Amino acid sequence: AQSVSQHNHHVILSEAASLELGCNYSYGGTVNLFWYVQYPGQHLQLLLKYFSGDPLVKGIKGFEAEFIKSKFSFNLRKPSVQWSDTAEYFCAVNARAAGNKLTFGGGTRVLVKP
Amino acid sequence: ETGVTQSPTHLIKTRGQQVTLRCSSQSGHNTVSWYQQALGQGPQFIFQYYREEENGRGNFPPRFSGLQFPNYSSELNVNALELDDSALYLCASSLMGEGRNNEQFFGPGTRLTVL
Repeated sequence: AQSVSQHNHHVILSEAASLELGCNYSYGGTVNLFWYVQYPGQHLQLLLKYFSGDPLVKGIKGFEAEFIKSKFSFNLRKPSVQWSDTAEYFCAVNARAAGNKLTFGGGTRVLVKP
Repeated sequence: ETGVTQSPTHLIKTRGQQVTLRCSSQSGHNTVSWYQQALGQGPQFIFQYYREEENGRGNFPPRFSGLQFPNYSSELNVNALELDDSALYLCASSLMGEGRNNEQFFGPGTRLTVL
């Protein structure tokens, strides 16, 4: 069974700082990878996804993520955060052989100070 | 907004009671997945329905059951509620089939509190 690990539970940073959130998964087969964001009081929204091709994926709101297959990682980055990026971020994996089920990490709560 | 709707928004029940949560999938989607998100945790997969049949189940007891209707909307039923069932229940819809990327779109969730 697959599992997903997010390294940081809480991150606090100032506006304009760079953000990197770690995500590692355990599964030996082919995977689809996702980052979701949950803003306070709002539903889960897709930030970006990787299915195949270029391992550097660009998403909405200036976020990007890099799939490193050898490291089973899919880290999320943003060069310069804004106060509005305050949210909880979830990494998720879909093992293609396991159908359409998503396995989520525990989430990272990001607080951006103005 | 994803076009996935859930009802009710909030619900309070007591231990031992039964609850039904509802989800309307995005237009054109044929698959509904349910997730439980306990406070401070990531969503956990409960089960998925595809073409009105269960198509995968997570590590949840049989008192968690579901249905999918011909219009692809879905219900999640939980019997004999326990305190630990208090959580945000998320519904996600997707279009499953050959060549599809199966991206899931989440609804706003139903917040269930069990007292």
